[in-house]
Amino acid sequence: AQSVTQLGSHVSVSEGALVLLRCNYSSSVPPYLFWYVQYPNQGLQLLLKYTTGATLVKGINGFEAEFKKSETSFHLTKPSAHMSDAAEYFCAVTYSGAGSYQLTFGKGTKLSVIP
Amino acid sequence: DTGVSQDPRHKITKRGQNVTFRCDPISEHNRLYWYRQTLGQGPEFLTYFQNEAQLEKSRLLSDRFSAERPKGSFSTLEIQRTEQGDSAMYLCASSLEGARNQPQHFGDGTRLSIL
Repeated sequence: AQSVTQLGSHVSVSEGALVLLRCNYSSSVPPYLFWYVQYPNQGLQLLLKYTTGATLVKGINGFEAEFKKSETSFHLTKPSAHMSDAAEYFCAVTYSGAGSYQLTFGKGTKLSVIP
Repeated sequence: DTGVSQDPRHKITKRGQNVTFRCDPISEHNRLYWYRQTLGQGPEFLTYFQNEAQLEKSRLLSDRFSAERPKGSFSTLEIQRTEQGDSAMYLCASSLEGARNQPQHFGDGTRLSIL
């Protein structure tokens, strides 16, 4: 079965500092991986996705993530945090093979940006 | 692209009442998904449609829950005899047909509160 672990339910960074949000996945077949952001009382907005090909994926708002198969990781980074980045971030996985189309989400990491 | 639309945004009801939520997907998307999100958790998959066919249901979807997508366009999710544990955000998403790497686009959700 597929699963996602996000290390750290809450991360605080200073404005201008590096953002690093961690995601590890478990999948018996090649995964498709996604990062979503959720602002209060809103739905989820897609930041970026990894399917196949280049392992470093660039997304919106300056975020990027690197797929590392050997470490089963897909960590999200941004070089310089902005106040507007304060939100909750979810990593999600689905299978590339036959079977369910559902996304399996991690529990989320709430990012706070300190002025 | 008007995005995924959900109605109502908020619903407050007494325990034991029935509630119905509506989701209008992005117009060219023929896949539609329902998820439930409780406080401090990531979204959990409930069910999925391709056009009007309900192809997958989670074990979370008890007999009190029913979802329809009668003409392959909008969808409704009904909860009968609501219980305290049904309090959650109900999220709808849609995607294009194709491989599992098609990203799911989410609406802003319906927040259900059971008194």
